[in-house]
Amino acid sequence: DQQVKQNSPSLSVQEGRISILNCDYTNSMFDYFLWYKKYPAEGPTFLISISSIKDKNEDGRFTVFLNKSAKHLSLHIVPSQPGDSAVYFCAANYNAGKSTFGDGTTLTVKP
Amino acid sequence: DVKVTQSSRYLVKRTGEKVFLECVQDMDHENMFWYRQDPGLGLRLIYFSYDVKMKEKGDIPEGYSVSREKKERFSLILESASTNQTSMYLCASSPPDRGTDTQYFGPGTRLTVL
Repeated sequence: DQQVKQNSPSLSVQEGRISILNCDYTNSMFDYFLWYKKYPAEGPTFLISISSIKDKNEDGRFTVFLNKSAKHLSLHIVPSQPGDSAVYFCAANYNAGKSTFGDGTTLTVKP
Repeated sequence: DVKVTQSSRYLVKRTGEKVFLECVQDMDHENMFWYRQDPGLGLRLIYFSYDVKMKEKGDIPEGYSVSREKKERFSLILESASTNQTSMYLCASSPPDRGTDTQYFGPGTRLTVL
C-alpha cells in the first residue's frame, strides 16, 4: 500500500510560467512533509518543507501548500526556469525521521 | 558543508557474488539510510540505522543486510546478488530524531548485476 503518491509521472511547462507538482498521502499520522529535487546522476537534495500545523510555506520561487483535510500537498514554482528541470520527490515523515517517498515527477521547463 | 560519499558510482557484478556498498558521512549524523531507486517506483527504504551497531528493516529488506560499526559509515551488503537487484542505490544521513530533519543524500551507486 503506497502511502505517498505522485500521480503525474511527468510535467512540461514553458519557462516563466508556473509549475504545480502534486502529492497525495493516506496516512494521517504524517506530521512533516518535504520536497526533494534530483538531477540525473546526483542524489536528491532538499528543496522545501512544511509542518502539518501549517498550510503554506514559501521560499523564494518555491511555495508548498498543504491541505490536511484532503491529504494533499502541492509545490508551486514561479516563475519556472530551465534549471528547474529535474525529478521532484514528495516525502512525508512521522516516525523518528524516517521518510516515505513518492514515485517522483519529472519536470521539464522549456526555454 | 554537508557531505555523503558512496564508494562507487558504477558497479557491475555477477549473479551470486557478495556485494558491498559503502557510505560515509562527515556530519556526525546519528541516522543513516539505504534506499534503492527504480523507474516508476521512487525511493524505497531498504534499511536504516539510528546509531552505531543498530539497524532496522525498511520496506524492502529481503536479500540485503547492513553493517554500522562506526558512526560515520553505513554499509549495504548483498549476500548473493541477483539480477533483480540491479538498481540505483542511494545512501542518506540525517541529524538525531526530531521528525523534521531533512536527509542528505550521496550521489548514488548504479549497480548492474549480470
